[in-house]
Parts: sequence; C-alpha cells; structure tokens
Amino acid sequence: DGGITQSPKYLFRKEGQNVTLSCEQNLNHDAMYWYRQDPGQGLRLIYYSQIVNDFQKGDIAEGYSVSREKKESFPLTVTSAQKNPTAFYLCASRAGQGSVGELFFGEGSRLTVL
Amino acid sequence: AQTVTQSQPEMSVQEAETVTLSCTYDTSENNYYLFWYKQPPSRQMILVIRQEAYKQQNATENRFSVNFQKAAKSFSLKISDSQLGDTAMYFCAFIANYGGSQGNLIFGKGTKLSVKP
Repeated sequence: DGGITQSPKYLFRKEGQNVTLSCEQNLNHDAMYWYRQDPGQGLRLIYYSQIVNDFQKGDIAEGYSVSREKKESFPLTVTSAQKNPTAFYLCASRAGQGSVGELFFGEGSRLTVL
Repeated sequence: AQTVTQSQPEMSVQEAETVTLSCTYDTSENNYYLFWYKQPPSRQMILVIRQEAYKQQNATENRFSVNFQKAAKSFSLKISDSQLGDTAMYFCAFIANYGGSQGNLIFGKGTKLSVKP
C-alpha cells in the first residue's frame, strides 16, 4: 500500500545529542514537509522540500536540519541547538504544484528529551 | 500573512447528535483551498473534507459538511449523527493558490471533540 512511513515511533534522547527522524514515502510525491505538534499549538512547519536536492525553512527551523537526496526520503535531524525538542513530529507529502493541495501524513514520531 | 483561527479548544457532543466546529481565516488572496483534518488518538492525520474557494456550493462527505462563507471568511464543519469514532482533534487548514502554484498549508490550533455515549 502507498503511504508515508515515519520511524521511530518513540525516541528518547539525552540533552546535547543529535537525533534523526526518518520519513519515507512511496506515493511518488514531489513535496515533503516536517511539522512539529505541541499541545495547544496546532501544527507548525519546520522545513519543506518541493523537489529533490532543494529544501526551504519553515516557521520554526532553528535547531533542525534536513536533507532531500532522494525523492522518497526526507529525514529530519533535531540538533542539540534545539532548545525544547520534546514534541510530536509529523511528516507529510503532497503531489506537488498543480495538485489540489491535500497533504498525506505519516503516523508521527514522539521525541522525548531526558 | 494568512492566519487560521479555531475559537473552540474543546467541544463535546452526545452520540447521534449534531455538532458544528468553527473556523475563521484571514487572507487577501481570492483563490485558495480550505480543509478539515481529523487526528484521532492514534495520532494519524486524515483528511475529512476539502473546499475550493471558487466553488459556491458547500462540500459534503457523508456525515460531514461545511458551511463556507467566503465574504465572512468562515469555514465551519458540521458533523451529523456523531459517532464515538469521531472523537478526535480537528484541524482547519488553508492553502493559497497562486495561479497554479501553491503556498504552504496553514493550520489552526485545533478543536478537541469528544463524543459521549
């Protein structure tokens, strides 16, 4: 079945460590997104990529980094520079320009900093 | 800048009753799309319903319908015959359409809906 796979589902990190969240899609979508979700905050955009080898900062990019070396993969690294990394992270994809705009989401990854 | 506001952080409804979730947005664009997404306790976000701004007719999907008031910039979601499985967070979202290319999806902060037996 086509979809978006995020891993791991749960992740614990010590302060000062970098951690990478995986996001893989087999929908052949051009655009991919990373959102952060905190209680009462809705979804906030971290980074997005409209095409392979290109990505843009979203509203809260500080302390995060991404890469888009393959169309199907868009990993997110939470660096030690991120002051408050404990959150639920959602990856999404979209068919790209010209599509209606619907996002397809993964099941999310919950990161907890100990 | 575009914004999306959901003024009801939490709502509850009795099973089989009807409930309406509110959403307002602010934009200077004339061409855009609006969405309602559902996030159940399992946390997977799924699309409930979509509305194109150029369409005057309100979108419906089975028990879900919207009341789209373009002049008032209002986009409410009505759930009829509520079921226990409708218990979830509901997010209203907006995306501008710039002549074939689109901006990024902008979400409201969500409304937590509880359906009570």
